[in-house]
Amino acid sequence: GENVEQHPSTLSVQEGDSAVIKCTYSDSASNYFPWYKQELGKGPQLIIDIRSNVGEKKDQRIAVTLNKTAKHFSLHITETQPEDSAVYFCAASRRNSGYALNFGKGTSLLVTP
Amino acid sequence: DSGVTQTPKHLITATGQRVTLRCSPRSGDLSVYWYQQSLDQGLQFLIQYYNGEERAKGNILERFSAQQFPDLHSELNLSSLELGDSALYFCASSKTGTSTEAFFGQGTRLTVV
Repeated sequence: GENVEQHPSTLSVQEGDSAVIKCTYSDSASNYFPWYKQELGKGPQLIIDIRSNVGEKKDQRIAVTLNKTAKHFSLHITETQPEDSAVYFCAASRRNSGYALNFGKGTSLLVTP
Repeated sequence: DSGVTQTPKHLITATGQRVTLRCSPRSGDLSVYWYQQSLDQGLQFLIQYYNGEERAKGNILERFSAQQFPDLHSELNLSSLELGDSALYFCASSKTGTSTEAFFGQGTRLTVV
């Protein structure tokens, strides 16, 4: 089955700096890669996603890149703010599995003022 | 608020017991996914239903079962509970059986004592 590796497991940055989280996947049939943000006591919230026919996608301060050949994708957050502090999960999925999500282990991001 | 409703929010029960977790998907969504989140296993996909039919199966134990009713709400039944079943259980919904974006509820925290 699909195996998603996520690094780092913890990340601490100063407010205003950039944060980068990296994921690799093993199943070349995976074609949808979302990122979720989970705050304490809440469910995961979809923040950005990318499909396999796209190399990069940006939404304000958040961007995601995908390298299909290398089977890795990354989340980039620029101009970080304290409210960005949360656990971030990457996931990989494919159509013929109903887009059931295979998650990485998560990255705990702390943004200090 | 994602629009996905899960009840109850918290559940404490004894080993060997059986519990039922309930999920109401977002209005108009036909597909429901169940995930388990624990410290050691992370977020793991259990099972997916689409319009009342099982669509995909993940790492779901034989002691666990689910169903989706005609009104599209879903229930996850956990029986012969063990201490290791203590976890957060999330429901997510999406528009169809092959929609990519999935939206998560707030979860049910199950504690087995």
